[in-house]
Order: sequence, then C-alpha cells, then structure tokens
Amino acid sequence: NAGVTQTPKFQVLKTGQSMTLQCAQDMNHEYMSWYRQDPGMGLRLIHYSVGAGITDQGEVPNGYNVSRSTTEDFPLRLLSAAPSQTSVYFCASSYWGSGANVLTFGAGSRLTVL
Amino acid sequence: SQQGEEDPQALSIQEGENATMNCSYKTSINNLQWYRQNSGRGLVHLILIRSNEREKHSGRLRVTLDTSKKSSSLLITASRAADTASYFCATDAGDYKLSFGAGTTVTVRA
Repeated sequence: NAGVTQTPKFQVLKTGQSMTLQCAQDMNHEYMSWYRQDPGMGLRLIHYSVGAGITDQGEVPNGYNVSRSTTEDFPLRLLSAAPSQTSVYFCASSYWGSGANVLTFGAGSRLTVL
Repeated sequence: SQQGEEDPQALSIQEGENATMNCSYKTSINNLQWYRQNSGRGLVHLILIRSNEREKHSGRLRVTLDTSKKSSSLLITASRAADTASYFCATDAGDYKLSFGAGTTVTVRA
C-alpha cells in the first residue's frame, strides 16, 4: 500500500532544460493535483485532474504541462526550466466521491534550477 | 492568490501546554481542513470541518469554525515533542481547488 509515490526526490537542472516529475497513486483516486511549496508562501496549486483524460489549471500553471492518460499516473512536465521554478513540488490525490477533497500527499520532489 | 492565512506564523510552547493557531479566509467555503507537515515530509490530513459545523474534536485536536467571521482555529491540547511541525489550513470551496495558507510553525520544547 504505497499511497502517493513521487520521483525523483531531488533534482538539479540547468536553466532551459526540461524534465518530468513523476507521480503515481495506488488508491484508485479520481482526483490528482500538483502543488509547489515556497518559503513563506504555503502551497500553490499548479494543475489538477478530476479523472483520466481531464486536466485543468490551478493558480500558477505557467511553465508546466500535465497529462492524465491513466487513473494512477499524473506527471508534471517542466518545459524549459527557470530559476523561479526552484521549489519543492508535491503531488496529492483524493477520492472525490467522499464529498470533500481530502488530500493524500506524496513525500515531495525538491527541484533546484541553476 | 491564497485563500487562507494562518496566525501566528510561528509558535513556541513547553511540552504539556496547549497550542492555538488561527486561520482566516476570504470567500465562502464548503469545508475547511487542517494539515500537518513534519520537516522535509509531505502534508498529512488532520481534521475536516464542514461549513454547517461549529466545532469538531479528534483526539487532542479541537477545531472551531465561524463562518460569519470567516475564521477557524486549531487547538492542540497537552502538546508533545512529536507535535513539532508546521500546520496549514486549507479551504475547499467545492471547485476542486483546495487552497492552502502559509502555515504556522509550532515548536514544542521539552
């Protein structure tokens, strides 16, 4: 029973490089989301998905792409990394049918862009 | 922009004391949730209170909600060293976008 698994845990990129943060959940949750956490700013929603084939933008979507081809996986792509994307990224999922969006979080991926 | 704002930003208490933190928000909500984050880890859900509830308890946690003032409080009673963490409120307006505040960092001294 792994819950929400994020890889990699740490990554260093150079400005302009691209990469994908992986997120997988084994709880059959319909809802998945990506947040970034920066000091003093809490968590800000990047993108979310309410089911396979459906994605939508959150508060800070610029510079990021997502797709949801399966219920289990929700990768986050950085198209051309910038120093402003240095952050800790969290993937979270929930069972929307509970009537409330109670999130289960992954352990996080710390990204540094030089 | 963030919906919830926690107060205080940081709190230091002695083991056995109570810790109280507050959350204010701006727009109507379906429910409000509190999460805990230990250093270097992901967030863990603690408790949810719906908009038609005023108070809720879970173990040593007590949450209140005042929708007229758009505010909530989290009380941790008889604190322990293991309660050292950051605590976040999150508002759920029913639009799939759970919105988090900046958090309160609680340090429990032995």
